[in-house]
Amino acid sequence: QQQVKQSPQSLIVQKGGISIINCAYENTAFDYFPWYQQFPGKGPALLIAIRPDVSEKKEGRFTISFNKSAKQFSLHIMDSQPGDSATYFCAAARGGATNKLIFGTGTLLAVQP
Amino acid sequence: EAGVTQFPSHSVIEKGQTVTLRCDPISGHDNLYWYRRVMGKEIKFLLHFVKESKQDESGMPNNRFLAERTGGTYSTLKVQPAELEDSGVYFCASRLAGGSYEQYFGPGTRLTVT
Repeated sequence: QQQVKQSPQSLIVQKGGISIINCAYENTAFDYFPWYQQFPGKGPALLIAIRPDVSEKKEGRFTISFNKSAKQFSLHIMDSQPGDSATYFCAAARGGATNKLIFGTGTLLAVQP
Repeated sequence: EAGVTQFPSHSVIEKGQTVTLRCDPISGHDNLYWYRRVMGKEIKFLLHFVKESKQDESGMPNNRFLAERTGGTYSTLKVQPAELEDSGVYFCASRLAGGSYEQYFGPGTRLTVT
């Protein structure tokens, strides 16, 4: 059973456009929702994260929108650039002894110049 | 500050052979995690160390996988004997002790079992 569902699987956006990636989760005990960015040959790098007590968090061109009642969260990339082309993973974790991350399946983003 | 490092970056072995992957976490990070991504699927948790102790190994696929973290510094993940379905990218991540949730990932080891 997939605890974190991510869509779309792939996304093509024109330079300057808005990229939107969506995730939905099952477990209401999750209290940490990060997004990771991965370039080919590299490991996932933490991009931005949100806790469920806020509905939005913005860092530069990257924004997380969080809807607790719908159990959904999304990543918006404003003014998308070719350098943003990468695989993006959403994840969720529950506070406790382990804090293990439960990942979505990833979205391959291609930003065309 | 050096990030999480992993060795080797790529390993190709035959079915039935043994492979040992190594992870060096960020200095001072007590928490060390192993994850695996099989082609096209999600990154899946394997296990979690706090210093040298296994905190959670619920994600380990079977007893062919053995993880150690002697002295609470670097960790090794041994697969013996390797099977075809073990192919994938193995990531290591580390995290500070305390309330921080942030995990920092290494570049991964791509394991191919033929």
